[in-house]
Amino acid sequence: AQRVTQPEKLLSVFKGAPVELKCNYSYSGSPELFWYVQYSRQRLQLLLRHISRESIKGFTADLNKGETSFHLKKPFAQEEDSAMYYCALSERDDKIIFGKGTRLHILP
Amino acid sequence: DVKVTQSSRYLVKRTGEKVFLECVQDMDHENMFWYRQDPGLGLRLIYFSYDVKMKEKGDIPEGYSVSREKKERFSLILESASTNQTSMYLCASSFPRDYLYFGPGTRLTVL
Repeated sequence: AQRVTQPEKLLSVFKGAPVELKCNYSYSGSPELFWYVQYSRQRLQLLLRHISRESIKGFTADLNKGETSFHLKKPFAQEEDSAMYYCALSERDDKIIFGKGTRLHILP
Repeated sequence: DVKVTQSSRYLVKRTGEKVFLECVQDMDHENMFWYRQDPGLGLRLIYFSYDVKMKEKGDIPEGYSVSREKKERFSLILESASTNQTSMYLCASSFPRDYLYFGPGTRLTVL
């Protein structure tokens, strides 16, 4: 069973429009969740983690334990946000599991 | 800056060959990971190691083995490469319960 689900393979959004990348997880303990981003021809890197509760590049993500979700949001998309985004879950044994990823395409 | 390096960016091997992928990190991280990245499948964990000589299977360990003789180095071994192992292989490292630092990846093609 999938532990991290990203339902959208591709999301196209116009520049200046709001962005929401969905992530749902399945985990019985206290989850530790992350968003990673991969820009074109760059290595995968951390975007943000839920325990930091900070905004990075205008993105935020709130952990909703009731809905088991950790959606990534940005109020106004920019062209440089075009990238591949992965949601990830750290399990209690430090194993880190990723979703299948969502490609975000910002339209001019 | 944390550096995670992988021995090759591109590798072409033939079916049945033994393949070694090397990963080195310079931040004294306890944890090291090997993932494969395939379009539409995301990142799938092959193996991870939380200490020297310690290893744990990930979700897709079949056809792979690993070696961690020194803290900074984590090797992925394909005992007998097959065409379905053609993929991008990503190494990562971290402190316990912390986020991952990734290497640049090795694109392996098995002919």
